[in-house]
Amino acid sequence: EAQVTQNPRYLITVTGKKLTVTCSQNMNHEYMSWYRQDPGLGLRQIYYSMNVEVTDKGDVPEGYKVSRKEKRNFPLILESPSPNQTSLYFCASSSVSGGSYNEQFFGPGTRLTVL
Amino acid sequence: EDQVTQSPEALRLQEGESSSLNCSYTVSGLRGLFWYRQDPGKGPEFLFTLYSAGEEKEKERLKATLTKKESFLHITAPKPEDSATYLCAVQAWGGYQKVTFGIGTKLQVIP
Repeated sequence: EAQVTQNPRYLITVTGKKLTVTCSQNMNHEYMSWYRQDPGLGLRQIYYSMNVEVTDKGDVPEGYKVSRKEKRNFPLILESPSPNQTSLYFCASSSVSGGSYNEQFFGPGTRLTVL
Repeated sequence: EDQVTQSPEALRLQEGESSSLNCSYTVSGLRGLFWYRQDPGKGPEFLFTLYSAGEEKEKERLKATLTKKESFLHITAPKPEDSATYLCAVQAWGGYQKVTFGIGTKLQVIP
């Protein structure tokens, strides 16, 4: 089954404790992206990647890091989480054509609470 | 800066009562406009992509249309299972692969 998986699905942590949210897709997609979703603000892009070792900032990259060492994986790293990073996070992937991404397939989400 | 505005923020319909959701956008050269459906606690699910003004796409009770400034998602004779939040997103031409989403329209269909 074609899917995007994220782990963990739920996480409660404390300020300053480094964490990683994993994302993996089995569709051989070139494009992957991370979003956060907050009430009243909608989905905002954090980082995206067009292919292995190619990443770039979205609208809200501060406080986050990403890496793309393998095509299927795109982990999101919070080096020193703060309460304002409490949010619902989604990973997504897409094929690429004509030099740009197509429709995105989203993971189930990770609900993060930073105390 | 790309902008997407969706209206209304929330819409409550009786089962069978047709209506339209609006997505107004400002983008420096539109490559594609996407519609997604999102159920509570789940990731968005792709519905349609529109590329040029005048284009229309249909899927069951949903029909998406596109002009140079806005897109409409028409819902014909909705059923309770159509209740969800509908998201619009725009993609601009150029090497920049950024995505801009609207906040969404929360649709509730009452039996």
